[in-house]
Amino acid sequence: EVQLVESGGGLIQPGGSLRLSCAASGFTASSNYMSWVRQAPGKGLEWVSVIYSSGYRYYADSVKGRFTISRDNSNLDLQMDSLRAEDTAVYYCAHSSGYYFFDYWGQGIQVTVSS
Amino acid sequence: QSALTQPASVSGSPGQSITISCTGSSSDVGGYNYVSWYQQHPGKAPKLMIYEVSNRPSGVPDRFSGSKSGNTASLTISGLQAEDEADYYCSSYTRSSTLVFGTGTKVTVL
Repeated sequence: EVQLVESGGGLIQPGGSLRLSCAASGFTASSNYMSWVRQAPGKGLEWVSVIYSSGYRYYADSVKGRFTISRDNSNLDLQMDSLRAEDTAVYYCAHSSGYYFFDYWGQGIQVTVSS
Repeated sequence: QSALTQPASVSGSPGQSITISCTGSSSDVGGYNYVSWYQQHPGKAPKLMIYEVSNRPSGVPDRFSGSKSGNTASLTISGLQAEDEADYYCSSYTRSSTLVFGTGTKVTVL
């Protein structure tokens, strides 16, 4: 069974750091393209970051310089520094069997930035 | 990168057809055939419905179809069913090598 399971979320004060992890299992081949996508309360989906199997990484302007994406085999991480209230959201790990679309998603994990 | 523009809501009766538009620019929707569509039920993770403008993943009913003309992509649901009531989001690859989602459309089955 294909699974993506996120961990590491929680409540953090503004300016703090948090590291999200996504454990991938059941895939027959390593993904070429994995991303983090977030959804603020009552809002739409927002793409956050991507990492290619080659190591190339890209970020949304809203998180550039504060977030760092990395991967180790089938696991995906997101290091989030200098967190702001507007980073409060459910964060999804997403896997692509090709490029530029996501056919597998994790269940999502809540990150709340508040004092 | 600004979100792609979608109508806030679309509604239809069971059996009818509806179309959701997704408007971007030549830097995203119009420049690449990398538009995808996602369905999201409340409290659930998104589900891929269409990729690369018009391709349907296995398991997605053929009632769902996608197309593109210029800077606007469209998702059509034919033979609308009660379980199609959900939020729908488009997404596109961009010239900056990033991705951008649409503003989202709430589909209501009357």
